Amino acid sequence: DIQMTQSPSPLSASVGDRVTITCQASQDIRNYLNWYQQKPGQAPKLLIYDVSNLETGVPSRFSGSGSGTHFSLTISSLQPEDIATYYCQQYDNFPVTFGGGTKVEIK
Amino acid sequence: DVQLVESGGTLVQPGGSVKLSCAASGVTLSVYSLNWVRQAPGKGLEWVAHINTGGNVIHYADSVKGRFTISRANDKNSVYLQMNSLKDDDTAVYYCSVPTIFGRRGYWGQGTSVTVSS
Repeated sequence: DIQMTQSPSPLSASVGDRVTITCQASQDIRNYLNWYQQKPGQAPKLLIYDVSNLETGVPSRFSGSGSGTHFSLTISSLQPEDIATYYCQQYDNFPVTFGGGTKVEIK
Repeated sequence: DVQLVESGGTLVQPGGSVKLSCAASGVTLSVYSLNWVRQAPGKGLEWVAHINTGGNVIHYADSVKGRFTISRANDKNSVYLQMNSLKDDDTAVYYCSVPTIFGRRGYWGQGTSVTVSS
């Protein structure tokens, strides 16, 4: 199985800060990497698909990058509404696997 | 608007069975592969099962293999998860989803809660 390791968790930052969450895969997953945002009591919401493609309606302060085994999600200027838990997910192979999640908090 | 609506979540005793349903509106499920994903209380997301469009290619997480069965009824625009021999660890919110793959966006339901407890 492909292990997805996210860091840091939690992540504490101030409004306006640039924050980066990293996700490392245990093997090459090509570009089959999605990022989700989840707020308490809600279903996950797609932010980024296939490493770097911004989902329609997602603010442009979110961006994704990476390749192979190392990936990152960046929020260029953290906003109060970005408080949530973020998950990476690979779909290169079954079983589909998620990272353990990064909880983003306001300092 | 696309909606996936899960149902069937309940409180069940260890060893019991539950069947979850997921009905879609605003989208024709027959053209999509489908997943079930779960989330235990306070924990992360765990993929559970996958079924392809034809229903003939199915994958399960090791944690549920042999106990859970995913199926679909394209004429009812629905997908199901039959859960047998339930354990405490199966307690979770269960989401059905059309996976986001190969540049095609997917969809998630709002989840249905299964609690396994005596």
